[in-house]
Amino acid sequence: DTEVTQTPKHLVMGMTNKKSLKCEQHMGHRAMYWYKQKAKKPPELMFVYSYEKLSINESVPSRFSPECPNSSLLNLHLHALQPEDSALYLCASSQRDSPYEQYFGPGTRLTVT
Amino acid sequence: AQKITQTQPGMFVQEKEAVTLDCTYDTSDPSYGLFWYKQPSSGEMIFLIYQGSYDQQNATEGRYSLNFQKARKSANLVISASQLGDSAMYFCAMREGVGNTGFQKLVFGTGTRLLVSP
Repeated sequence: DTEVTQTPKHLVMGMTNKKSLKCEQHMGHRAMYWYKQKAKKPPELMFVYSYEKLSINESVPSRFSPECPNSSLLNLHLHALQPEDSALYLCASSQRDSPYEQYFGPGTRLTVT
Repeated sequence: AQKITQTQPGMFVQEKEAVTLDCTYDTSDPSYGLFWYKQPSSGEMIFLIYQGSYDQQNATEGRYSLNFQKARKSANLVISASQLGDSAMYFCAMREGVGNTGFQKLVFGTGTRLLVSP
């Protein structure tokens, strides 16, 4: 099973809402990633979790709060977002020390109104 | 400084023909890895092919091959016998270290949109 799943597929939220994005993988990968992709731009790394610990935070605003409850699950909690946060949010996973590919999920298209 | 450059915003090819998507990179690290990903309109990033800097031969995966020219710092993707389903955005990416963390991340180019016509 080489699948990374993400829910929801689409999300519309107001600037005062609190919502969460969910990512799941069952490949035994120990590194999981959140990327943000604006329209017509490449993905940009937000966070990396390795062995369920936050390893990299690419200076992401605190209104984005990641969480890794276990080795298969990665959440991204959203609060007080701005319209410019509207984007495709991609989750990915990889073997911890693998120099090779990351497996991506289908993404969540987020619109902040 | 931009490390991955894709100079072709869009490419057109007819079905069954071959197409080359260009990618140049810049790094001072002797050990690096280069990737190509495909992103259909559905949004998912699909891994296509990987080339390590020390690999002696150009990588191939089915209809995909990577034309790796180390001295020129280029890693072009060649798709042979194009199919309608190949229409998508294609990203070149390079693995790079993150400070002294020991971790690595992917840095992507701006992408090339490929359209395959019947």
